[in-house]
Amino acid sequence: GENVEQHPSTLSVQEGDSAVIKCTYSDSASNYFPWYKQELGKGPQLIIDIRSNVGEKKDQRIAVTLNKTAKHFSLHITETQPEDSAVYFCAAVWGTSYGKLTFGQGTILTVHP
Amino acid sequence: DADVTQTPRNRITKTGKRIMLECSQTKGHDRMYWYRQDPGLGLRLIYYSFDVKDINKGEISDGYSVSRQAQAKFSLSLESAIPNQTALYFCATSGQGGHTDTQYFGPGTRLTVL
Repeated sequence: GENVEQHPSTLSVQEGDSAVIKCTYSDSASNYFPWYKQELGKGPQLIIDIRSNVGEKKDQRIAVTLNKTAKHFSLHITETQPEDSAVYFCAAVWGTSYGKLTFGQGTILTVHP
Repeated sequence: DADVTQTPRNRITKTGKRIMLECSQTKGHDRMYWYRQDPGLGLRLIYYSFDVKDINKGEISDGYSVSRQAQAKFSLSLESAIPNQTALYFCATSGQGGHTDTQYFGPGTRLTVL
């Protein structure tokens, strides 16, 4: 099966700075990598995803990069704002394991005004 | 997401009790999932169902059972609750677009087993 490692577990930045969260996966057959944001008292919500045939994807202030050779992918948030404070999870889908997400351990991001 | 609802939102129970967590969705999705969230461990898949007649175990199904009563309803039961089942439980749904389909999560049920 798949194993996903996520770092760091906590990240504290000043408003306006950039934040980077990194994940590694174990199974080279993994081909879909979503990122979820979980605000306090709510369920996780998809914010961006990337497929294995793409190296980078950007959506306004957030971007995700994928290095298939090294089996790692990263979330980049630029110009951070206090409302970006949340728990972020990376995940991977292994091969044909339809809908079976394997999640990383989560990163608590705090953006200080 | 208001399209996926979970009841109850909070529950405190005692060791050995049977408890059921319920999930309903109005998104018209066929696929439904139950996850457990523990601090430092992320979310782990307990059970999943791709249609009413399809039930599959996830990575941590021991001590749990599920029932898919209808397309829109998926319940999780703890047959005999134990303290290490204290956790945050999430239900999720997705469409049939394939393995890249977005999963939509409910607000969660916080379960405490004393």
